[in-house]
Amino acid sequence: KQEVTQIPAALSVPEGENLVLNCSFTDSAIYNLQWFRQDPGKGLTSLLLIQSSQREQTSGRLNASLDKSSGRSTLYIAASQPGDSATYLCAVISSGSARQLTFGSGTQLTVLP
Amino acid sequence: GAVVSQHPSRVICKSGTSVKIECRSLDFQATTMFWYRQFPKQSLMLMATSNEGSKATYEQGVEKDKFLINHASLTLSTLTVTSAHPEDSSFYICSASPDQRRGLGQFFGPGTRLTVL
Repeated sequence: KQEVTQIPAALSVPEGENLVLNCSFTDSAIYNLQWFRQDPGKGLTSLLLIQSSQREQTSGRLNASLDKSSGRSTLYIAASQPGDSATYLCAVISSGSARQLTFGSGTQLTVLP
Repeated sequence: GAVVSQHPSRVICKSGTSVKIECRSLDFQATTMFWYRQFPKQSLMLMATSNEGSKATYEQGVEKDKFLINHASLTLSTLTVTSAHPEDSSFYICSASPDQRRGLGQFFGPGTRLTVL
């Protein structure tokens, strides 16, 4: 059974810092991996999706990398802003089912002005 | 593009009543829709997967007679919580996938906050 772990559970940084969020998964046979953002009491916003054949994806100040063999992904946020404060969730679709997302527990990010 | 809506966004009901939550894909056809439940400060837990025109597949531990799912069209899925009790209070989120086989990912609705008194 796929398990997804995110470290750290919470992170507080001053505005302007670059930061890295970590995600690890136990079964490397994944179909793709997605990073989401969730604001309090809201749904999920997809940030980046990485196919299993890809190594990284970039969108603006966000860069996500994927190392399938080691079961790891990182989300890099450059020049953080207070508006980046949210919970960031990592989720994988395993190759077996190719349909179900398994979520990590999330990293709660606070960017201080 | 790829917008998913949920209705209602918030519902409060008395114990024993049934509540229906709608999930719609507004600008694409969703071959598959998913229903998740999220308790405070916890991640999303998949409840069930539904494909248009067929019965939903429920995750282990989810009572199919309590959480009725209907996926009658390619743009609409409904979740009915029957005879709701306070322990059913949670944040329910749906997602829709245009074509999971193509790895396009899932698009999530804004969620429905259910409070059972």
